[in-house]
Amino acid sequence: KAGVTQTPRYLIKTRGQQVTLSCSPISGHRSVSWYQQTPGQGLQFLFEYFSETQRNKGNFPGRFSGRQFSNSRSEMNVSTLELGDSALYLCASSGGGANEKLFFGSGTQLSVL
Amino acid sequence: AQSVTQPDIHITVSEGASLELRCNYSYGATPYLFWYVQSPGQGLQLLLKYFSGDTLVQGIKGFEAEFKRSQSSFNLRKPSVHWSDAAEYFCAVGAVSGSARQLTFGSGTQLTVLP
Repeated sequence: KAGVTQTPRYLIKTRGQQVTLSCSPISGHRSVSWYQQTPGQGLQFLFEYFSETQRNKGNFPGRFSGRQFSNSRSEMNVSTLELGDSALYLCASSGGGANEKLFFGSGTQLSVL
Repeated sequence: AQSVTQPDIHITVSEGASLELRCNYSYGATPYLFWYVQSPGQGLQLLLKYFSGDTLVQGIKGFEAEFKRSQSSFNLRKPSVHWSDAAEYFCAVGAVSGSARQLTFGSGTQLTVLP
Protein backbone atom coordinates (compact mmCIF):
# COMPACT_ATOMS: atom_id res chain seq x y z
CA LYS A 1 0.00 0.00 0.00
CA ALA A 2 1.50 3.33 -1.03
CA GLY A 3 2.05 5.88 1.70
CA VAL A 4 1.13 9.53 1.80
CA THR A 5 2.70 11.33 -1.16
CA GLN A 6 3.53 15.01 -1.10
CA THR A 7 4.69 17.02 -4.08
CA PRO A 8 6.88 18.81 -4.73
CA ARG A 9 9.56 17.78 -2.24
CA TYR A 10 11.31 21.15 -2.37
CA LEU A 11 10.11 24.55 -3.45
CA ILE A 12 11.74 27.96 -3.63
CA LYS A 13 9.61 31.07 -3.98
CA THR A 14 10.04 34.79 -3.49
CA ARG A 15 8.05 37.10 -1.24
CA GLY A 16 4.67 38.04 -2.60
CA GLN A 17 4.27 34.97 -4.75
CA GLN A 18 1.76 32.24 -4.13
CA VAL A 19 2.34 28.51 -3.89
CA THR A 20 0.30 25.32 -4.12
CA LEU A 21 1.31 22.12 -2.41
CA SER A 22 -0.21 18.74 -3.14
CA CYS A 23 -0.95 15.72 -0.98
CA SER A 24 -2.18 12.30 -2.05
CA PRO A 25 -3.44 10.30 0.92
CA ILE A 26 -3.24 6.58 1.44
CA SER A 27 -5.81 4.80 -0.67
CA GLY A 28 -9.13 4.64 1.16
CA HIS A 29 -8.32 7.45 3.56
CA ARG A 30 -10.83 10.27 3.53
CA SER A 31 -9.21 12.68 5.99
CA VAL A 32 -6.26 14.89 5.15
CA SER A 33 -4.62 17.21 7.66
CA TRP A 34 -1.91 19.78 7.09
CA TYR A 35 0.79 20.88 9.53
CA GLN A 36 3.49 23.52 9.36
CA GLN A 37 6.86 22.75 10.95
CA THR A 38 9.40 25.49 11.67
CA PRO A 39 12.41 25.59 14.00
CA GLY A 40 10.90 28.45 15.97
CA GLN A 41 7.24 27.45 16.25
CA GLY A 42 7.52 23.68 15.94
CA LEU A 43 4.64 21.70 14.51
CA GLN A 44 1.39 23.60 14.15
CA PHE A 45 -1.96 22.42 12.85
CA LEU A 46 -3.22 24.21 9.77
CA PHE A 47 -6.48 22.48 8.81
CA GLU A 48 -8.19 19.18 8.23
CA TYR A 49 -10.37 18.10 5.34
CA PHE A 50 -12.80 15.21 5.30
CA SER A 51 -14.92 14.26 2.33
CA GLU A 52 -14.12 17.55 0.57
CA THR A 53 -15.16 19.65 3.57
CA GLN A 54 -12.93 21.57 5.94
CA ARG A 55 -13.95 20.40 9.38
CA ASN A 56 -11.21 21.91 11.53
CA LYS A 57 -8.89 24.88 11.24
CA GLY A 58 -5.89 26.12 13.18
CA ASN A 59 -4.84 29.68 13.94
CA PHE A 60 -3.34 30.73 10.65
CA PRO A 61 -4.16 33.80 8.55
CA GLY A 62 -6.50 33.62 5.61
CA ARG A 63 -3.53 33.52 3.25
CA PHE A 64 -3.41 29.83 4.04
CA SER A 65 -6.16 27.86 2.39
CA GLY A 66 -6.82 24.38 1.20
CA ARG A 67 -9.20 22.11 -0.56
CA GLN A 68 -9.91 18.46 -1.04
CA PHE A 69 -11.04 16.72 -4.17
CA SER A 70 -13.48 13.87 -4.61
CA ASN A 71 -10.58 11.37 -4.76
CA SER A 72 -9.42 12.68 -1.34
CA ARG A 73 -6.32 14.34 -2.75
CA SER A 74 -5.73 17.68 -1.12
CA GLU A 75 -4.00 20.89 -2.04
CA MET A 76 -2.81 23.66 0.20
CA ASN A 77 -2.35 27.18 -1.09
CA VAL A 78 -0.42 30.04 0.44
CA SER A 79 -0.88 33.46 -1.13
CA THR A 80 1.29 36.56 -0.77
CA LEU A 81 4.19 34.61 0.63
CA GLU A 82 6.19 36.04 3.52
CA LEU A 83 9.67 35.09 4.69
CA GLY A 84 8.14 33.53 7.79
CA ASP A 85 6.24 31.05 5.66
CA SER A 86 9.47 29.17 5.04
CA ALA A 87 8.81 25.79 6.62
CA LEU A 88 8.33 22.09 6.15
CA TYR A 89 4.68 21.48 5.33
CA LEU A 90 3.48 18.06 6.35
CA CYS A 91 0.37 16.31 5.22
CA ALA A 92 -1.23 13.44 7.12
CA SER A 93 -4.04 11.12 6.18
CA SER A 94 -6.36 8.86 8.12
CA GLY A 95 -9.68 7.15 7.78
CA GLY A 96 -11.22 10.09 9.57
CA GLY A 97 -12.43 8.54 12.81
CA ALA A 98 -11.33 9.99 16.13
CA ASN A 99 -9.39 6.89 17.13
CA GLU A 100 -7.54 6.48 13.90
CA LYS A 101 -3.88 7.23 13.67
CA LEU A 102 -2.39 9.74 11.28
CA PHE A 103 0.04 8.68 8.57
CA PHE A 104 2.41 11.47 7.60
CA GLY A 105 4.07 12.21 4.29
CA SER A 106 7.69 13.30 4.00
CA GLY A 107 6.66 16.91 3.55
CA THR A 108 7.31 19.79 1.20
CA GLN A 109 10.19 22.04 2.18
CA LEU A 110 9.23 25.60 1.21
CA SER A 111 11.84 28.32 1.15
CA VAL A 112 10.73 31.91 0.69
CA LEU A 113 13.45 34.32 -0.42
CA ALA B 1 -6.63 24.94 25.08
CA GLN B 2 -4.41 21.91 25.15
CA SER B 3 -0.62 22.10 25.37
CA VAL B 4 2.34 19.75 25.49
CA THR B 5 5.69 20.29 27.18
CA GLN B 6 8.81 18.33 26.42
CA PRO B 7 11.30 19.72 28.92
CA ASP B 8 14.38 18.13 27.36
CA ILE B 9 15.48 19.74 24.10
CA HIS B 10 18.39 17.37 23.58
CA ILE B 11 19.32 14.05 25.20
CA THR B 12 22.46 12.02 24.64
CA VAL B 13 22.69 8.36 25.61
CA SER B 14 25.12 5.55 24.87
CA GLU B 15 24.05 2.66 22.73
CA GLY B 16 22.60 -0.07 24.93
CA ALA B 17 21.61 2.34 27.69
CA SER B 18 18.05 2.89 28.76
CA LEU B 19 16.07 5.91 27.63
CA GLU B 20 13.27 8.00 29.06
CA LEU B 21 11.84 11.02 27.25
CA ARG B 22 9.55 13.23 29.26
CA CYS B 23 6.23 14.64 28.19
CA ASN B 24 3.70 16.66 30.17
CA TYR B 25 0.36 17.71 28.79
CA SER B 26 -2.43 20.05 29.64
CA TYR B 27 -5.91 19.09 28.52
CA GLY B 28 -9.34 19.54 30.02
CA ALA B 29 -10.70 16.09 29.36
CA THR B 30 -9.31 12.60 28.90
CA PRO B 31 -6.53 13.11 26.38
CA TYR B 32 -5.57 11.17 23.34
CA LEU B 33 -1.76 10.98 23.55
CA PHE B 34 0.81 10.09 20.94
CA TRP B 35 4.53 9.74 20.46
CA TYR B 36 5.99 10.32 17.01
CA VAL B 37 9.54 10.04 15.71
CA GLN B 38 11.05 12.07 12.89
CA SER B 39 14.30 11.33 11.09
CA PRO B 40 16.06 14.17 9.25
CA GLY B 41 14.17 15.27 6.17
CA GLN B 42 11.36 12.84 6.81
CA GLY B 43 7.79 12.93 7.98
CA LEU B 44 6.53 11.69 11.32
CA GLN B 45 6.16 8.04 12.21
CA LEU B 46 3.79 7.00 14.98
CA LEU B 47 5.51 5.05 17.76
CA LEU B 48 2.51 4.52 20.01
CA LYS B 49 -0.77 6.01 21.13
CA TYR B 50 -2.96 6.09 24.20
CA PHE B 51 -6.71 6.47 24.00
CA SER B 52 -8.00 4.63 27.05
CA GLY B 53 -7.56 1.45 29.05
CA ASP B 54 -4.21 0.10 30.15
CA THR B 55 -1.96 3.00 31.09
CA LEU B 56 1.18 1.22 29.91
CA VAL B 57 1.24 1.28 26.14
CA GLN B 58 3.52 -0.78 23.94
CA GLY B 59 4.66 0.59 20.62
CA ILE B 60 6.88 -0.21 17.71
CA LYS B 61 10.67 -0.55 17.81
CA GLY B 62 10.62 -1.65 21.46
CA PHE B 63 9.23 1.63 22.82
CA GLU B 64 6.66 1.92 25.57
CA ALA B 65 4.98 4.82 27.33
CA GLU B 66 3.08 5.17 30.57
CA PHE B 67 0.10 7.47 31.03
CA LYS B 68 -0.03 8.99 34.52
CA ARG B 69 -3.12 11.10 34.94
CA SER B 70 -2.09 12.39 38.38
CA GLN B 71 1.12 13.80 36.94
CA SER B 72 -0.29 14.75 33.53
CA SER B 73 2.59 12.85 32.00
CA PHE B 74 3.13 10.43 29.16
CA ASN B 75 6.82 9.53 29.23
CA LEU B 76 8.41 7.41 26.54
CA ARG B 77 10.82 4.66 27.50
CA LYS B 78 13.09 2.11 25.88
CA PRO B 79 15.20 -0.34 27.87
CA SER B 80 18.11 -0.50 25.42
CA VAL B 81 18.76 2.15 22.80
CA HIS B 82 20.08 1.32 19.34
CA TRP B 83 22.11 3.69 17.16
CA SER B 84 19.22 3.76 14.70
CA ASP B 85 17.01 5.38 17.37
CA ALA B 86 18.83 8.69 16.91
CA ALA B 87 16.12 11.08 15.74
CA GLU B 88 13.75 13.73 17.02
CA TYR B 89 10.84 12.62 19.15
CA PHE B 90 7.56 14.44 19.49
CA CYS B 91 4.82 13.99 22.03
CA ALA B 92 1.36 15.11 20.97
CA VAL B 93 -2.11 15.44 22.45
CA GLY B 94 -5.17 15.02 20.30
CA ALA B 95 -8.12 17.33 20.62
CA VAL B 96 -11.32 15.79 19.41
CA SER B 97 -14.22 17.93 18.40
CA GLY B 98 -17.04 15.80 17.11
CA SER B 99 -15.41 13.51 14.66
CA ALA B 100 -12.65 15.92 13.79
CA ARG B 101 -9.23 15.78 15.34
CA GLN B 102 -6.18 17.99 15.53
CA LEU B 103 -2.89 17.30 17.23
CA THR B 104 -0.95 19.70 19.41
CA PHE B 105 2.72 18.80 19.43
CA GLY B 106 5.45 19.42 21.93
CA SER B 107 8.63 21.14 20.81
CA GLY B 108 10.45 17.85 20.41
CA THR B 109 13.44 16.11 21.98
CA GLN B 110 16.49 15.46 19.85
CA LEU B 111 18.08 12.13 20.72
CA THR B 112 21.77 11.48 20.06
CA VAL B 113 23.10 7.96 20.49
CA LEU B 114 26.80 7.49 21.21
CA PRO B 115 28.54 4.32 20.01
